[in-house]
Amino acid sequence: GAGVSQSPSNKVTEKGKDVELRCDPISGHTALYWYRQRLGQGLEFLIYFQGNSAPDKSGLPSDRFSAERTGESVSTLTIQRTQQEDSAVYLCASSLGGQGSYEQYFGPGTRLTVT
Amino acid sequence: AQSVTQLDSHVSVSEGTPVLLRCNYSSSYSPSLFWYVQHPNKGLQLLLKYTSAATLVKGINGFEAEFKKSETSFHLTKPSAHMSDAAEYFCVVSDGGFTGGGNKLTFGTGTQLKVEL
Repeated sequence: GAGVSQSPSNKVTEKGKDVELRCDPISGHTALYWYRQRLGQGLEFLIYFQGNSAPDKSGLPSDRFSAERTGESVSTLTIQRTQQEDSAVYLCASSLGGQGSYEQYFGPGTRLTVT
Repeated sequence: AQSVTQLDSHVSVSEGTPVLLRCNYSSSYSPSLFWYVQHPNKGLQLLLKYTSAATLVKGINGFEAEFKKSETSFHLTKPSAHMSDAAEYFCVVSDGGFTGGGNKLTFGTGTQLKVEL
């Protein structure tokens, strides 16, 4: 079946512009995660959605970052007034639930370059 | 708080020789531990996971890892490397979602595995 998809695959933007990244999770997966991978580093957790519960935003680096999810479907990550340090690969993952027994399936990522 | 340390940023082996990728972790809870692999221009793929069952975990492609609580280690091994194993490997720890914040994964900085003929 279809895996996690993300769009766009690549995004180049000028400093100060807003960007919106999209994630389509696997159908039926109630949990959705956003991570950021900077060059040469591991992934950093950004935000977590589980069903209709309030999202866990504890990983968002600043108030320029926000994310929404429509029910148990699509999620968008928005970065306002982009800065060069926002350049990274943004990865989305989904899983059947929020417990550790559920494997997270990762999308291919969106490579964001801020010039 | 949880954290992961991957002791080697790069490992180079010859094809057919054993692979050892080292990982140490810290966690306030009984952790779940994972190894993920990332091939160039491909998404992250789960190799194996430990979730408090058997301490020796077998994964895909002949990889295995042993959970050693006394050493807080979860090293990844494979008896014989293949060219197709060349990739970046991430050791990952989770509190399993028991803090109420979901199964947040904490990634190590990765180990780049190079396999030479």
